Amino acid sequence: DIVMTQSPDSLAVSLGERATITCKSSQSVVYSANNMNYLAWYQQKPGQPPNLLIYWASTRESGVPDRFSGSGSGTDFTLTISSLQAEDVAIYYCQQYYSVPWTFGQGTKVEIK
Amino acid sequence: QVQLQESGPGLVKPSDTLSLTCTVSGGSVSGYYWGWIRQSPERGLEFIGHIYFSGNTNYNPSLKSRITISVDTSTNQFSLKLNSVTAADTAVYYCARVTAAGGGFDFWGQGALVTVSS
Repeated sequence: DIVMTQSPDSLAVSLGERATITCKSSQSVVYSANNMNYLAWYQQKPGQPPNLLIYWASTRESGVPDRFSGSGSGTDFTLTISSLQAEDVAIYYCQQYYSVPWTFGQGTKVEIK
Repeated sequence: QVQLQESGPGLVKPSDTLSLTCTVSGGSVSGYYWGWIRQSPERGLEFIGHIYFSGNTNYNPSLKSRITISVDTSTNQFSLKLNSVTAADTAVYYCARVTAAGGGFDFWGQGALVTVSS
C-alpha cells in the first residue's frame, strides 16, 4: 500500500494569513503514460463527509474558492490556503488514487490562532 | 445535484454480516465508479472498494476476503456486504462517487454509523 504522510498534524493560523499543509507519498503517484499526479485533497468539517477540494494535485473542484490551491509532483505535495477564513477551520486530508487500495493521509487540523 | 444516501442497520453482532445500501438520486449510476469508504478514530479514512456501473470491482486487499460490492442500475443503488465483522469494523461508512475524471470522490453520502457489538 502507498502510505500518505501529512505534516503538520495540526496548525493554527491567524485570519487572513497563509496556511500550508504538506503530504508525502511513500512512492510516486505520477502515471508515466499521462504525466498526471493521482492526488486529491479534501476538507472535512465536524459531522460532515469529506469535501473534494483538489484533484490531479492541482485542479480545483468546481465551486471551491480560489484561495485553495494544490501543488507538487511525484511524492511531495502541498495544499495552500492563501488567506485563511473562519469557515476554513476543518481537517484536511490528502488521498492517492494511483493504485488500489486508494489511501488517505492521517489528516491535518487547521484552527484559528 | 447528485445525492447519495446510505441505509442499513446501525448495530451488527460480531461474526454477522454488515449490509449497507447507497441510493443515488439526481443522477444515474451509469457511467461512473462508485465507492465505499469508512472512517474511525483508530484507522482514519479507509478505502473499502469501488465498483463500475458495469459491475467491475476493485477491493482493498486487506478486506477482500470479506467484502462484496454490487450495483443495481435498475434501482440506481449500489451495496456493500462485509462478513464476519468484529469490533474493529465499527466505523462511519460512507458511499461516494468517483469523479468523471477518474480520481477522487466528488459526491458523498452523509455517512452511516455502524457499531459492531453483541
